[in-house]
Amino acid sequence: DVKVTQSSRYLVKRTGEKVFLECVQDMDHENMFWYRQDPGLGLRLIYFSYDVKMKEKGDIPEGYSVSREKKERFSLILESASTNQTSMYLCATGGSRTDTQYFGPGTRLTVL
Amino acid sequence: GNSVTQMEGPVTLSEEAFLTINCTYTATGYPSLFWYVQYPGEGLQLLLKATKADDKGSNKGFEATYRKETTSFHLEKGSVQVSDSAVYFCALDSSYKLIFGSGTRLLVRP
Repeated sequence: DVKVTQSSRYLVKRTGEKVFLECVQDMDHENMFWYRQDPGLGLRLIYFSYDVKMKEKGDIPEGYSVSREKKERFSLILESASTNQTSMYLCATGGSRTDTQYFGPGTRLTVL
Repeated sequence: GNSVTQMEGPVTLSEEAFLTINCTYTATGYPSLFWYVQYPGEGLQLLLKATKADDKGSNKGFEATYRKETTSFHLEKGSVQVSDSAVYFCALDSSYKLIFGSGTRLLVRP
C-alpha cells in the first residue's frame, strides 16, 4: 500500500511566522502535489513537482513556495503566514505512468 | 478550461436508500474521471475511476459510468450504510493534475 505521511495533523501559527509543512511518501513516485481544501471550494492545487528539484505552480501559488530536495519528500513553505491561509492542506503523490493520486491525512493549519 | 461541477450537499438519506450524486465536467479531450471519498478526519481515498467513454468504475457497491454524450460521471449506490457518511469528490485528470469538484457531503441516518 502507498503510504503518504504529513508532519502534523494540527498546527497553530501566528501571523507573519514562517511555516513548514512536510510530506513524505514511500512508493518512489515521481509526482507530488500540495492542495488546500476549503469548504465549498473543493481542493485547489498550490504547487506540484514531477522530479527532484523541479516544481510547477498550480492554480493558487501566491504566498507559498515549495522544496523537493529528495524524491520522497515535498515541503510546502508559507514565508509569512496570514490569516487567509488558515485551511486544510493535503499532500498527494502519483507515479508518472498513472493518473491516480494518493493522499496523506492532511494538516489543519490555523493562523491567528 | 477544464472544470468539474457536482451537486451541492448535504445529502441526507436513511440507511438502505438509493444514492445518486451528480457530477458533470467540461474538458478538452477525454480525461480520466474519478470519485474520491473523504471520511471524517482523514485524507482523500480513491473510490473508483474510469478512463474512457462508457467505462464503468465500481468499488464497495458504488458505481459510476463515464458518459461522453452528457459529459457526466454520476455516482450511485443501491443501498447506503451509515458507514458511507463522508464527503465525496468528483475529479478529472488534466495532464496528471487533478481538477476537483467542490465536494458533496453525505449523511446516512440509521
